Amino acid sequence: GIQVEQSPPDLILQEGANSTLRCNFSDSVNNLQWFHQNPWGQLINLFYIPSGTKQNGRLSATTVATERYSLLYISSSQTTDSGVYFCAVPTSGTYKYIFGTGTRLKVLA
Amino acid sequence: DVKVTQSSRYLVKRTGEKVFLECVQDMDHENMFWYRQDPGLGLRLIYFSYDVKMKEKGDIPEGYSVSREKKERFSLILESASTNQTSMYLCASSWDGETQYFGPGTRLLVL
Repeated sequence: GIQVEQSPPDLILQEGANSTLRCNFSDSVNNLQWFHQNPWGQLINLFYIPSGTKQNGRLSATTVATERYSLLYISSSQTTDSGVYFCAVPTSGTYKYIFGTGTRLKVLA
Repeated sequence: DVKVTQSSRYLVKRTGEKVFLECVQDMDHENMFWYRQDPGLGLRLIYFSYDVKMKEKGDIPEGYSVSREKKERFSLILESASTNQTSMYLCASSWDGETQYFGPGTRLLVL
């Protein structure tokens, strides 16, 4: 089945710094989502981005489907950005999502 | 805003007990999902449902069953809880199978 890998596994930043999180997937996909899980466990959908680039405030995401990767950019990070970031892709032709193991981000004040 | 609620935030059960986890969504979504989350393993799909009374196995269905009698409610059942089912359980729903909305999660401890 499709494999999803995220890097780096852990990241510590000072407030105000920028960062790039990466998601690689092993097969072609027609959908990709980025999620943020806050320290209380709530998962929030950040982007639905099967291809191209999207921006939402300080966050933006780019998916290059032909090269099988997606990037999540966080600019001017804040302590509230702390948590775990997951990417997820569906197995072909289904709604069954495969999640990466996540990038754990800690932003220090 | 989409709201997905789960019946409990924390639950402690004994080995062998039957456990019900309930999930309710208020946006008339067709698709609902149950995942478990364990450290280092990310989220893994247990079951999903694409319509009332319809279900499909995910990647780790063993030891679990589900019920969807009404469109807004999707229940996960542990027929006989075991310690290896101690985990965080997350429910999600989606209209189009694309954007998923998650509930707050249930942390289950099986003693």
